[in-house]
Amino acid sequence: AQSVTQPDIHITVSEGASLELRCNYSYGATPYLFWYVQSPGQGLQLLLKYFSGDTLVQGIKGFEAEFKRSQSSFNLRKPSVHWSDAAEYFCAVGLTDSWGKLQFGAGTQVVVTP
Amino acid sequence: KAGVTQTPRYLIKTRGQQVTLSCSPISGHRSVSWYQQTPGQGLQFLFEYFSETQRNKGNFPGRFSGRQFSNSRSEMNVSTLELGDSALYLCASSEPSTSGGYEQYFGPGTRLTVT
Repeated sequence: AQSVTQPDIHITVSEGASLELRCNYSYGATPYLFWYVQSPGQGLQLLLKYFSGDTLVQGIKGFEAEFKRSQSSFNLRKPSVHWSDAAEYFCAVGLTDSWGKLQFGAGTQVVVTP
Repeated sequence: KAGVTQTPRYLIKTRGQQVTLSCSPISGHRSVSWYQQTPGQGLQFLFEYFSETQRNKGNFPGRFSGRQFSNSRSEMNVSTLELGDSALYLCASSEPSTSGGYEQYFGPGTRLTVT
């Protein structure tokens, strides 16, 4: 069955430390891949996306993600976390033949400590 | 460009009633998708409309329906509300990307509470 897995439900990181959020997917072909961030009571903001080409993609707010086909992964990273990065992060996949329909992971809640 | 707007932002309804939520996409976007977000089930796809046609539908009962107008604005309707329909309903709009894929931009959501 097609699935998107975010293994970490909750991550606590110190301000200034690096952050890595994991995402694995199970699909027959390489889907479109996205990372979104959601602050409390807000909608989702697109951080970055992967369609094809260069496997390291840069996004907004200093985030980057690396697509690894062999591992069916699309992990999100940030070298130095700021207190404002505290939020919930969602990995999502979209199929090339099912435009407009995203399947989301369960989300990872990131807490930033001083 | 203005972002995706959703009205109303908050709504309280009683079991058995029906509700209509509205979404105005980013100008020029022809695709509108709807999602339901709950603590237990997470983000789930409801349906997607493109140029007034429903192209994709998620696994929700027929009580959930939608439509899209010629100006790309979309509405979703939930009839015979149940307590379990309490959720944040998110709308997203998109257009094809020049790099071959698509990017969905989300509105702030409508928080529906069913009592």
